[in-house]
Amino acid sequence: GQNIDQPTEMTATEGAIVQINCTYQTSGFNGLFWYQQHAGEAPTFLSYNVLDGLEEKGRFSSFLSRSKGYSYLLLKELQMKDSASYLCAVMDSNYQLIWGAGTKLIIKP
Amino acid sequence: GAVVSQHPSRVICKSGTSVKIECRSLDFQATTMFWYRQFPKQSLMLMATSNEGSKATYEQGVEKDKFLINHASLTLSTLTVTSAHPEDSSFYICSARVVGRDYEQYFGPGTRLTVT
Repeated sequence: GQNIDQPTEMTATEGAIVQINCTYQTSGFNGLFWYQQHAGEAPTFLSYNVLDGLEEKGRFSSFLSRSKGYSYLLLKELQMKDSASYLCAVMDSNYQLIWGAGTKLIIKP
Repeated sequence: GAVVSQHPSRVICKSGTSVKIECRSLDFQATTMFWYRQFPKQSLMLMATSNEGSKATYEQGVEKDKFLINHASLTLSTLTVTSAHPEDSSFYICSARVVGRDYEQYFGPGTRLTVT
């Protein structure tokens, strides 16, 4: 079956760095996505990885290892507004998104 | 950038009535749109895939006669919840895939449905 695993909840301090991990097992692979979702809102796109390695975009970076079925989202210089759920999703061989359950990130002052 | 709108953003209806939710891609064409449902503190659940000009493909466990989907144009898909019940109360989100770019998918802002 298809499976995406990520931690349910993480806590970090304002100004610090946090890494959210995601492991996956899917039928085929056409890329891995990270989305941010604030409570009561729709997800917003953060990053897309299809090749191994690190993609950096401002304070956010995303890493992919296809051989390990592993990705992480790295958030630097955390701000209170970064408190949200972070969803990992893999696009399978049918170009369907398979979603993880999301990681709720709590930022403390 | 690509924008997807949904209307209405919030709706309250009585049990037994039907509700229509519209999803529009505003500045791009989308042959494929997706309808998701999200219950509190849970992840997105794909309900159906809507393809322009053809019947929608429903996920297992989703009643196609209850959740009617129409994708009449390259920029509009509608979801009608028929004979709504309180357990249908949820956050409904659509997303649209850019024509010719299968990896690009943009989400609408969501519709909060409350059935009383």
